Amino acid sequence: DQQVKQNSPSLSVQEGRISILNCDYTNSMFDYFLWYKKYPAEGPTFLISISSIKDKNEDGRFTVFLNKSAKHLSLHIVPSQPGDSAVYFCAASGNAGNMLTFGGGTRLMVKP
Amino acid sequence: DAMVIQNPRYQVTQFGKPVTLSCSQTLNHNVMYWYQQKSSQAPKLLFHYYDKDFNNEADTPDNFQSRRPNTSFCFLDIRSPGLGDAAMYLCATSRRWTGSGEAFFGQGTRLTVV
Repeated sequence: DQQVKQNSPSLSVQEGRISILNCDYTNSMFDYFLWYKKYPAEGPTFLISISSIKDKNEDGRFTVFLNKSAKHLSLHIVPSQPGDSAVYFCAASGNAGNMLTFGGGTRLMVKP
Repeated sequence: DAMVIQNPRYQVTQFGKPVTLSCSQTLNHNVMYWYQQKSSQAPKLLFHYYDKDFNNEADTPDNFQSRRPNTSFCFLDIRSPGLGDAAMYLCATSRRWTGSGEAFFGQGTRLTVV
């Protein structure tokens, strides 16, 4: 049973446009959500996070939106750059600890 | 500077031959994790340590063991690797146990079983 789902395995966007990556979760005990970025042959690196007490968190070109009632979060990248091309993982954790439950990832390709 | 270091980056082992993957951290974090990631799948938690307390996920096969001799190092031992164990193995650390916080990942070890 996948508790964190990223339904789009890939996304292609033109440079300069907005990239929107989506993530859905089923476990209502999750209270902290993170996005990780992964380049080939490297480990995931932390990108941005959001606590369940907020509905938006912004860091430069990256904004994460959380809709608790829909159990949905999204990552917006504006403007998208070719260097953003990577696999993006959504992850969630709850009160049980720091253990992260990951989604399956979305491969973003930003075309020049 | 690398904060979570995994060695080797690539490991080839024979079917059934024990193999050990290593992870070290310079962050002095309490918690260390081992994840298994197969192609196009989500990283799956195998086990984690909070200091010396070992926590095994319920569905982690007995074939997988771990050791944490000190704060800085953690090892993943696969006693009898099968073809299905070929994957990327990711080590991660985090500072806190409860609440929230980001985990820092190493670059991973890609294991091939022949």
